[in-house]
Amino acid sequence: GESVGLHLPTLSVQEGDNSIINCAYSNSASDYFIWYKQESGKGPQFIIDIRSNMDKRQGQRVTVLLNKTVKHLSLQIAATQPGDSAVYFCAENMGDSSYKLIFGSGTRLLVRP
Amino acid sequence: DAGVIQSPRHEVTEMGQEVTLRCKPISGHNSLFWYRQTMMRGLELLIYFNNNVPIDDSGMPEDRFSAKMPNASFSTLKIQPSEPRDSAVYFCASSRYNEQFFGPGTRLTVL
Repeated sequence: GESVGLHLPTLSVQEGDNSIINCAYSNSASDYFIWYKQESGKGPQFIIDIRSNMDKRQGQRVTVLLNKTVKHLSLQIAATQPGDSAVYFCAENMGDSSYKLIFGSGTRLLVRP
Repeated sequence: DAGVIQSPRHEVTEMGQEVTLRCKPISGHNSLFWYRQTMMRGLELLIYFNNNVPIDDSGMPEDRFSAKMPNASFSTLKIQPSEPRDSAVYFCASSRYNEQFFGPGTRLTVL
């Protein structure tokens, strides 16, 4: 799939380092958040999610942090690998009882060997 | 599970022609979403269905676009007539709860 926006932020990291990708969300009523990974030519793939009653959730090599005070979400990837190179999107559910998600514009992660 | 299935994967057509994109959601999922992705506008929600009923079509660009879900295992997105500005990757996603599972997308090129 094509990437997003002419001004897609890019994060370049050395293989083995930790990566932090940030996202600002818009709606203080949002109660559910997801991080997706999109590799070239593919659809977005679920990475990790978090509900608004939590401020941290860990998965395998990934951690999501939620700061509701400043409406900020971050994705931390430990020991970044070449296979992590992709575009990463955060998405929020608007807390309106629907399952509709609003996607951010995305961040491109480049992993240097 | 085969995941969300979309067809065709690539479509090249001429301006003015009708285009139909197809989606088979994951079995047991009761919500289905159509998205469009472009360089300029990113990932946009066009329409979504819950239990085969259209819930929110506010993202459908104009009357040239229409979507149907005749049953729980099939949905179509139709563009008639197509225009060059419709060129994009169109994704279908399905969900049972909040997590949406995306298909591989259909890359549409309108000449």
